[in-house]
Amino acid sequence: DAKTTQPNSMESNEEEPVHLPCNHSTISGTDYIHWYRQLPSQGPEYVIHGLTSNVNNRMASLAIAEDRKSSTLILHRATLRDAAVYYCILTSREYGNKLVFGAGTILRVKS
Amino acid sequence: EPEVTQTPSHQVTQMGQEVILRCVPISNHLYFYWYRQILGQKVEFLVSFYNNEISEKSEIFDDQFSVERPDGSNFTLKIRSTKLEDSAMYFCASRILAGGFDEQFFGPGTRLTVL
Repeated sequence: DAKTTQPNSMESNEEEPVHLPCNHSTISGTDYIHWYRQLPSQGPEYVIHGLTSNVNNRMASLAIAEDRKSSTLILHRATLRDAAVYYCILTSREYGNKLVFGAGTILRVKS
Repeated sequence: EPEVTQTPSHQVTQMGQEVILRCVPISNHLYFYWYRQILGQKVEFLVSFYNNEISEKSEIFDDQFSVERPDGSNFTLKIRSTKLEDSAMYFCASRILAGGFDEQFFGPGTRLTVL
């Protein structure tokens, strides 16, 4: 399984943008980049995913480097409810898209 | 909004007992998964299930574990003889298989405590 590297933790102020980085230098051409998050005492929750192009949805934006070896999850205005562990995960459609979770980045949001 | 549900929310059992964890995936989803998370540790993949058979399983998913979709709506995880180290949160997830839409929807989890 392709590996990702994320900072252990990050801190943000409420109402400010947050950029969560992820390195995936061994990504293959068919791997999708997924972001999930896990709020305290809850199951993981899908945030966004992409393959090559930048993606936007109601929750966040995903910026993918041109060489696909890194990506950044962007929360445009962090709220206290965004405090969670954020996971950057590579998946392959070929293998049923199982999710291999790492330790993720703990995002703390200060009011 | 459709959601994955899991029952029970908390299960306490004695070591060596059998437990069945139940999940109701979202109705038009075709891929189903079980994951577990030991307290303070990473979420770990256990098994994926598609077209009424296991499509992939991890090393954790040994002969003590089995999955079943008995009636077209429920998706169950059975642990035949529980061990202390099976204590964890167990999450069920489901995924629609349609075009490029690739999201896995997770349930709230079942906390299994083995005494």
